[in-house]
Amino acid sequence: SAVISQKPSRDICQRGTSLTIQCQVDSQVTMMFWYRQQPGQSLTLIATANQGSEATYESGFVIDKFPISRPNLTFSTLTVSNLSPEDSSIYLCSVVGSGGSTGELFFGEGSRLTVL
Amino acid sequence: GDSVTQMEGPVTLSEEAFLTINCTYTATGYPSLFWYVQYPGEGLQLLLKATKADDKGSNKGFEATYRKETTSFHLEKGSVQVSDSAVYFCALISGGSYIPTFGRGTSLIVHP
Repeated sequence: SAVISQKPSRDICQRGTSLTIQCQVDSQVTMMFWYRQQPGQSLTLIATANQGSEATYESGFVIDKFPISRPNLTFSTLTVSNLSPEDSSIYLCSVVGSGGSTGELFFGEGSRLTVL
Repeated sequence: GDSVTQMEGPVTLSEEAFLTINCTYTATGYPSLFWYVQYPGEGLQLLLKATKADDKGSNKGFEATYRKETTSFHLEKGSVQVSDSAVYFCALISGGSYIPTFGRGTSLIVHP
């Protein structure tokens, strides 16, 4: 298993500013994932963050808008830049835990972002 | 591409009622199937899974059977409790990927 802590748990931001979300895992993991969960919708994968290499972004997401850092095997950050109300969502960090079977992801509690 | 379709919510039940949340899928090959649950204010956590046809996943009184012939993985519980109120996500993995494809989620509300 893996225990994931995300900060902040929620924030209210002004249009045009940026928010950085931190994700800390209690064990070393190779792959970390960032998801967006919009109200009433499913989870959408933003990017996969691997330590020591550039993040891999999914279609519709770009590095300029969602820069990601992965400085070591237990930590990652996601920044949401140039905020607009459409960015209001829950952002979730997740990992495939060591020893976990394929498909079993462990999630942080999420960071709820409201953009005014 | 792969996809997962879940019944629309919210599903509203009285305590001790029988629960079914429908899930059907489209995938290449033989996917592994999962149900995740998200309690209020928390992240998702794995509820149960099945990795091959006719397998039944079970946990906390919930069950789901992998039906290849109907490409379904419906979630059931015989007697729900107020504490089961949450959002339930059906998901699949195929082709050796580590990354699940999720359904839209179904909100369950259980009244005392």
